[in-house]
Amino acid sequence: NAGVMQNPRHLVRRRGQEARLRCSPMKGHSHVYWYRQLPEEGLKFMVYLQKENIIDESGMPKERFSAEFPKEGPSILRIQQVVRGDSAAYFCASSPGTQTEAFFGQGTRLTVV
Amino acid sequence: AQSVTQPDIHITVSEGASLELRCNYSYGATPYLFWYVQSPGQGLQLLLKYFSGDTLVQGIKGFEAEFKRSQSSFNLRKPSVHWSDAAEYFCAVGANTNAGKSTFGDGTTLTVKP
Repeated sequence: NAGVMQNPRHLVRRRGQEARLRCSPMKGHSHVYWYRQLPEEGLKFMVYLQKENIIDESGMPKERFSAEFPKEGPSILRIQQVVRGDSAAYFCASSPGTQTEAFFGQGTRLTVV
Repeated sequence: AQSVTQPDIHITVSEGASLELRCNYSYGATPYLFWYVQSPGQGLQLLLKYFSGDTLVQGIKGFEAEFKRSQSSFNLRKPSVHWSDAAEYFCAVGANTNAGKSTFGDGTTLTVKP
């Protein structure tokens, strides 16, 4: 049973470009969470999704950031018009339900140049 | 709102010595509690979790943690540290309505001296 798969592992974007981060949850997991880890900090919750629905986006920046989890395919975190401050590690986690822990992927390290 | 405090930013111990990493949390009800370990450039690995029941929980790699409700603490311990334990350790509290939505501490970096 493969773990949570995130790709790419490393992503470099110039300021103003778009970044697309992908997350395939573990088999049987329908709950997906995105977290951001800034340098020297802990993880900060961004958004919680179930298939085709955003359930909780209380941690998402109001502009430029969006997330989806379509019926088919991976969950996508999209950052439009990236800025240097978006440079961070973005982690995806998945779980089979809300009363169990989530399992984390290896993360995508975004660098904005 | 829930919060987590890890008072020690950096801890250095000698190989073979015992270890205790501190974690204090704030949450209005009985929380879900986690300890994760992260090696440089890697993802997070779950060491142990507390959901309910016995307040002393055993985890992987010889780690254990004790939930103390009266102190709002969930400290991580290991009786004898190995050089491979050098990493960053994160304590997290999950909402009891959704364990996957967690609040993380800022982490404690563990250095192991030979």
